[in-house]
Amino acid sequence: DTGVSQDPRHKITKRGQNVTFRCDPISEHNRLYWYRQTLGQGPEFLTYFQNEAQLEKSRLLSDRFSAERPKGSFSTLEIQRTEQGDSAMYLCASSLVGQGNTEAFFGQGTRLTVV
Amino acid sequence: AQSVSQHNHHVILSEAASLELGCNYSYGGTVNLFWYVQYPGQHLQLLLKYFSGDPLVKGIKGFEAEFIKSKFSFNLRKPSVQWSDTAEYFCAVRDSGNTPLVFGKGTRLSVIA
Repeated sequence: DTGVSQDPRHKITKRGQNVTFRCDPISEHNRLYWYRQTLGQGPEFLTYFQNEAQLEKSRLLSDRFSAERPKGSFSTLEIQRTEQGDSAMYLCASSLVGQGNTEAFFGQGTRLTVV
Repeated sequence: AQSVSQHNHHVILSEAASLELGCNYSYGGTVNLFWYVQYPGQHLQLLLKYFSGDPLVKGIKGFEAEFIKSKFSFNLRKPSVQWSDTAEYFCAVRDSGNTPLVFGKGTRLSVIA
């Protein structure tokens, strides 16, 4: 499968613990996005990267959240001191930018449950 | 800031009925428009997209959408739905320039036999 892959698919954690998610974009895609989706809502933008540079962070991305894309390939999203309100599906998407308008391809997401 | 409204939260149709899902966005400048579909247990998949040109765009599985700039709308249509179209449908918009997508809340479509 050469699509966007995310790991793990599911994560259950206790409140206050730290969690880290990984996203592997489609090979050679230079742009990578993180979104969060809660029940009954559409995906909400969190942050995105152009290669290794983090270009924008949403107001949704509190200080407890940090994202990296150190070598411009895979990315990690870490949530520190998790809260019950962090329970959601975390989606990663990638696209190839630089040759006109392009579409984003989504992974299957990581479902986080904070208990 | 850009926002997207999807008018229907849940639509229930019988097989072979026609479908139209509404989508309106707020930004008045040049935009790119998308419809994504999420089948149960699967990831978001692109149904169709509009960047420029012919405002009537055709996508996969017999879906089409019409961009009406004066109405800030990009409604999704299908003449005859099938049971396999049961899914959640998301309209998304971005400013041209490959900026992040802004999604609507989604419309759940249930097709019954």
